[in-house]
Order: sequence, then C-alpha cells, then structure tokens
Amino acid sequence: QSALTQPRSVSGSPGQSVTISCTGTNSDFGGYNFVSWYQQHPGKAPKLIIYDVSERPSGVPDRFSGSESDNTASLTISGLQAEDEADYYCCSNAGRHSFRYVFGTGTKVTVL
Amino acid sequence: EVQLVESGGGLAQPGGSLRLSCVASGFSFSSSELNWVRQKPGKGLEWVSFISGSGITTYFADSVKGRFTISRDNAKNSLSLQMSSLSPEDTAIYYCAGSSGSSVAFDVWGQGTMVTVSS
Repeated sequence: QSALTQPRSVSGSPGQSVTISCTGTNSDFGGYNFVSWYQQHPGKAPKLIIYDVSERPSGVPDRFSGSESDNTASLTISGLQAEDEADYYCCSNAGRHSFRYVFGTGTKVTVL
Repeated sequence: EVQLVESGGGLAQPGGSLRLSCVASGFSFSSSELNWVRQKPGKGLEWVSFISGSGITTYFADSVKGRFTISRDNAKNSLSLQMSSLSPEDTAIYYCAGSSGSSVAFDVWGQGTMVTVSS
C-alpha cells in the first residue's frame, strides 16, 4: 500500500495559480472517481476541500478545483491567498468495494 | 454542529494496549461509514481502518492488521479502536474521520488524539 506521489512543495505569490499533482497506479485510481483532497493547517485536523475528483463541499471557495487523468489527479488553487498556505493531501479509494484508502505524500503550499 | 470528538490517547508501553474512542454528533451516525486515520510526528496522513454503518464490514491497513480492532455502537453514536501489540511505530495522532454523505471522502474529522508508544 504505497502512498500516492505528490511534490514535496509548491509556492506562488498572492493571486497566482498553483497546481499540485498526485500520481498513482491503475490499482490506486481504478477508473473510479473517488479522489479527494484535504487541506491541513499546522496543528489542525485535515479538512475536505475536493471530493469525487472535482466536487467542492459547501463552503469551500471555488478557487479550489480538481481533475484526474491517466492515473494522475491534480488540485489547482487559483487566485492564491495567504490563508491557503498549508499542507495538502490527495486520497484515493480504488473502488466502492475495495475500501483501501491511500493518501498522497503531502505537499506544502507556500504563499510568497 | 457536525462533530467528532476523540479520546483515550496517551502513553503506552511497547507490546501494550490502548483503546481510543470517538463520539459523534450533528449527523446521521448509523448511516455513516467511519475510519481511523493517523499521522506520525512530522509525517503525512495514513489510513488505518474502516467500518461500515452497520458495523458488519471492517477493513484494516496492512500495518495494523491483526493488532487493531474497530467497532461502533450506533445507539451511543460512538466509535472505538482497540490497539494491541503496540510498537513505537504506532506513535501518532489518531483521527476519527467520517463519510456522512454519499461520497467515500472524509467530510467529518475529529480533532485527533495523541498516542505515544515508549518505554
């Protein structure tokens, strides 16, 4: 159960866009739309920001968007804001009946 | 307010046991799938265990299989994780996390409880 691969860090200036990749294998994604993304500020619990590849929970700003193609999921933060500085984790459940959750290695987003 | 509150963390001896609890409020507990997710100091998130709404179906990560047991009491809106044969590698913050909607994503998280395994 190897972790999904994410870049260790990305950075951008306020107002810019950054994209975080999340790479796995066919067994990690399996063609199912069960990719989610979590934001974690230091000392806090993770918070769901994207589910089912590209859906946003109520209350999450629309500057957060997700996509997935060829076993790579991506999270894009458009119009970067200071409060977006945090750790971000992708997560995949390879299938409704497998219940094998795999998290990504995590990416630190720095707002310059 | 949708809430999960963990308790039961603390210091355990290598080879020892510890039981974590998580109490829920503000959502339909019995129809929600629940999980335990841990985070070792300075590291990323690691899924540990899953339990279905009925409690009949459970799954575990290979790293804890055979040592950890997950259970729930829907009458008390509570979730438990019984941990045994603990090693220093189990030292982590343990979060309970739930899927309260139709997605398998974790849309509800507790604040976490720290487990330290050390002699």
